[in-house]
Amino acid sequence: DVVMTQSPLSLPVTLGQPASISCRSSQSLVYSDGNTYLNWFHQRPGQSPRRLIYKVSNRDSGVPDRFSGSGSGTNFILKISRVEAEDVGVYYCMQGTQWPYTFGQGTKLEIK
Amino acid sequence: QLQLQESGPGLVKPSETLSLTCTVSGGSISSTSYYWGWIRQPPGKGLEWIGSVYYSGTTYYNPSLKSRVTMSVDTPKNQFSLKLSSVTAADTAVYYCASSYLELRYLDYWGQGTLVTVSS
Repeated sequence: DVVMTQSPLSLPVTLGQPASISCRSSQSLVYSDGNTYLNWFHQRPGQSPRRLIYKVSNRDSGVPDRFSGSGSGTNFILKISRVEAEDVGVYYCMQGTQWPYTFGQGTKLEIK
Repeated sequence: QLQLQESGPGLVKPSETLSLTCTVSGGSISSTSYYWGWIRQPPGKGLEWIGSVYYSGTTYYNPSLKSRVTMSVDTPKNQFSLKLSSVTAADTAVYYCASSYLELRYLDYWGQGTLVTVSS
């Protein structure tokens, strides 16, 4: 299975400050069709995960533009330009390139 | 917009079979556009994709659980289901159902999740 490794696992951030989460895969996530299937999800406390970004950098409908995704191959980053209170929770990366699709262990973002 | 809701027993005895159903509203379970999946999350831990099923009955199981998993679609009821046999305490988790639009890999909409505890 493709192992997804996130860092940091805990991310205390001051409101209004930027935040960055790294996600690395044990194998390249470039699929045979040329696409890279790396998604980001956000899970607020007590809620189900919600997808934020798909295929590395495409924001889902309704996702604020302070969220951005980048990366290629085996290294990916989720950035929040200015953290707001509603951004707390756990962020997961997920690879959809090789079955079984796998998730990172999660990064918990909290407000300082 | 699709809405998904899990249902089933919250307590299952060890060695028995866990059975969950996901009811879909706002769309048809027999749509050729969607894949229907199950993901679980042990308490305080990360996410694990159990598998997915297509309207035709084609299934995609995580190899780590394949020998114990059965998924199916019930078109008249607009539901899909998960059965996990020979459960142990390690199967205690919140179980989510989810949909993926056009391709298996996307997980666009999720249910609220249901906690299943395996205990005697």
